[in-house]
Amino acid sequence: NAGVIQTPRHKVTGKGQEATLWCEPISGHSAVFWYRQTIVQGLEFLTYFRNQAPIDDSGMPKERFSAQMPNQSHSTLKIQSTQPQDSAVYLCASSPRQNQDTQYFGPGTRLLVL
Amino acid sequence: AQKVTQTQTSISVMEKTTVTMDCVYETRDSSYFLFWYKQTASGEIVFLIRQDSYKKENATEGHYSLNFQKPKSSIGLIITATQIEDSAVYFCAMRGYGNEKITFGAGTKLTIKP
Repeated sequence: NAGVIQTPRHKVTGKGQEATLWCEPISGHSAVFWYRQTIVQGLEFLTYFRNQAPIDDSGMPKERFSAQMPNQSHSTLKIQSTQPQDSAVYLCASSPRQNQDTQYFGPGTRLLVL
Repeated sequence: AQKVTQTQTSISVMEKTTVTMDCVYETRDSSYFLFWYKQTASGEIVFLIRQDSYKKENATEGHYSLNFQKPKSSIGLIITATQIEDSAVYFCAMRGYGNEKITFGAGTKLTIKP
């Protein structure tokens, strides 16, 4: 089975541009999670969906960040008007069942904002 | 809010020995899950082992085992017969029963010397 797929693996944007990151969960998994990893803050939770419904977005910056899960096979994280401090590795994870299962991580998208 | 603390920034041990990594956590949840993940040099985050808070027995998985001391809010990871390829950053993590978002510790960098 393929693991969690994230595209692109690397993205370079200019300050003020938009960045869209894609995640394809493991087939059959009903939850998708987004995390961000930086040297300073470590691994931080951003948001998650269960059965395509947004459940918790408490980690999302209130402005410029949004996430969607339009169907069970993919989720997107969009960052508008990117800033240098958005530079990080954005990680997607998926899990199969509610409350009983661990999360399986994708390889991440390394975003660099110049 | 949950908090996970790993005080060991880095550990270096000889190959084929046993190493223990420490982790303490804080939560108000009565039921919760504790995890250890490993991040390889390539950036891949791999699930290693999990402890459910209601289980008294320490979890084991291959050459990984846990030392779960609930009264001390402690969950140590023990790796026996270490191999060079065990060199990585190890993250302790937790989540509550009702909310699936994971809170990570800062990580411990493990180096296995030949």
